[in-house]
Order: sequence, then C-alpha cells, then structure tokens
Amino acid sequence: GAVVSQHPSWVICKSGTSVKIECRSLDFQATTMFWYRQFPKQSLMLMATSNEGSKATYEQGVEKDKFLINHASLTLSTLTVTSAHPEDSSFYICSGGRADTGELFFGEGSRLTVL
Amino acid sequence: AQRVTQPEKLLSVFKGAPVELKCNYSYSGSPELFWYVQYSRQRLQLLLRHISRESIKGFTADLNKGETSFHLKKPFAQEEDSAMYYCALNPGGGNKLTFGTGTQLKVEL
Repeated sequence: GAVVSQHPSWVICKSGTSVKIECRSLDFQATTMFWYRQFPKQSLMLMATSNEGSKATYEQGVEKDKFLINHASLTLSTLTVTSAHPEDSSFYICSGGRADTGELFFGEGSRLTVL
Repeated sequence: AQRVTQPEKLLSVFKGAPVELKCNYSYSGSPELFWYVQYSRQRLQLLLRHISRESIKGFTADLNKGETSFHLKKPFAQEEDSAMYYCALNPGGGNKLTFGTGTQLKVEL
C-alpha cells in the first residue's frame, strides 16, 4: 500500500531555533499534502493544505510566518517551525492524498519538543 | 462550518461484547464520512468510508442523514480492536478532513 514517511520522528530543539519536518510520499504522487497538529489526548487539527508548486493554504488561526510550508515536488512537503517556542511543542502529522483514488495516507508523525 | 462530535473519550467493553462508537456531524451539505483507526504506536490509517459501504475487520458504519450520525459498530469485540478511533468528515472534495476528538476503545478479556 501507499506510504507516507515523516522525518524526523522526534526532535528536541532550543527556544528560538527553527526546525524542519519532511513529509514524503514514497510510492505515489501527492499533489496535495496536509499538515496537522495534535496535542496530547486531543484530535488532529488541520494546520494547512500544501499544494505542489503553489503557496500553502493555512487554516484560520495558524500563523503562516511561524509555520512555513513548502511543497517543492509531488512527493515532498516540508514544514518549518520558525523561531520555535515551548508552546510549539506538539505532535505534527502530515498526510498525502492519492490523485487516483483520493485516499489519504498519514505519516507516522513528528514529535517536537522545544526547550 | 462543519463539526464532528465523538461524545465518548473512552469506551471499555469485554471481549465478545458488541461495540458502538458514536459519531455525529454537523454540515449543511452532503459530506463524506470516514472512520480512521490508530493502533498503539502506529500511524493513523483508514478503517472505512461511508461511500464504500463495506465491512472492514468486522466493523460497519451506516450514514444516517436524518440523525446526522455515522456510528461505528462491531457485533463482537476482539482484543486487537483496542485502539483510538477517529471519525472524520470531508465536506466535499479536496480531502480537507475535519476530525472528531477520538474515542479510545479498550477491549478487556
């Protein structure tokens, strides 16, 4: 089956630094990828929709200057948390949609801890 | 705006007992509904979608537009069904899913 891979699985960084998380569709092309944020014991909250070759569409309340999204190819989208602060600590999950079936496949998630 | 409600955070049943995970939605149009499952330390994966009208791992879910519900059911729970279950809504194209808060299903022996 289709696989979406995220890297890194977990990252610890100092406050003020930037962190990049990669999301790759390994065996299919994803024209659209989605980035979610999940707090402990809470649901996935959609942050933004990443479209290959164009600017991401952010959900209301998500700072686009804080969470930079780039979708440079049909198999790779990146989320950069800029000038991270402890309140940015969370579990970030991406998903990619297959163009042929429309089915979404999720990455394993990336846990960010900002000290 | 659309909303998905899963009223139960935790549902504990005995092995062999019937299971029903509740999901209600609010959306003015005709949505596409899904159930996703997340087993311990694994990624989120699709369990079933209402348009397929299929049974996966013994689970079924029927879309009730009158009650705006999409409850997940299984007649006999198995230990391996223990997981986190999320109901999700796609308002129409684009795969922009709105998730419910999830229900942790625990099947006890």
